[in-house]
Amino acid sequence: AQKITQTQPGMFVQEKEAVTLDCTYDTSDPSYGLFWYKQPSSGEMIFLIYQGSYDQQNATEGRYSLNFQKARKSANLVISASQLGDSAMYFCAMREIQGAQKLVFGQGTRLTINP
Amino acid sequence: KAGVTQTPRYLIKTRGQQVTLSCSPISGHRSVSWYQQTPGQGLQFLFEYFSETQRNKGNFPGRFSGRQFSNSRSEMNVSTLELGDSALYLCASSSRTSGAQETQYFGPGTRLLVL
Repeated sequence: AQKITQTQPGMFVQEKEAVTLDCTYDTSDPSYGLFWYKQPSSGEMIFLIYQGSYDQQNATEGRYSLNFQKARKSANLVISASQLGDSAMYFCAMREIQGAQKLVFGQGTRLTINP
Repeated sequence: KAGVTQTPRYLIKTRGQQVTLSCSPISGHRSVSWYQQTPGQGLQFLFEYFSETQRNKGNFPGRFSGRQFSNSRSEMNVSTLELGDSALYLCASSSRTSGAQETQYFGPGTRLLVL
């Protein structure tokens, strides 16, 4: 069964510093997708970045990049030059090709950016 | 393009009552998935509808049901509410054309409180 583990319940970072949020996953399906979402206190889940299991390069989207290490089954999110508005919950999620539209989420990491 | 909309945003019910939540997907998206988010269990997949048919279902009791209309709008219903049904209910839409890399876009959620 697919599983996502986020080992950092909370992180505190100074504004303008880079931050890495950890995510490890477990699946037996060779084809899968990994996603990161941001959830501010308002509740809406905001899509940040996607990495496919067959992608050769790490995904990047503006200040977000994904450090994908397939052999270690890890997909860490890196936020460069953090901003106060980055304070939120961050969720790592996975979908197997066999799992239709079902996303499996980790428990999340609460990121707090200090001025 | 307008995002996913959910109504109502907040709801208070008492035990034993039933509730209906509504979700309108992004224009052109035909897949709607529902998730329940609680502090204890995190984010859990409820079900997915595509072309008015339920395609996938999570591990929830039969009190949780849903449907999708021809315009892709979806409703979920919870009957005989229990205190444990208090949660944030999130709806997500996708075009369901790209397999594992398909990105789901979430609405703002409906916060349900059962007293």
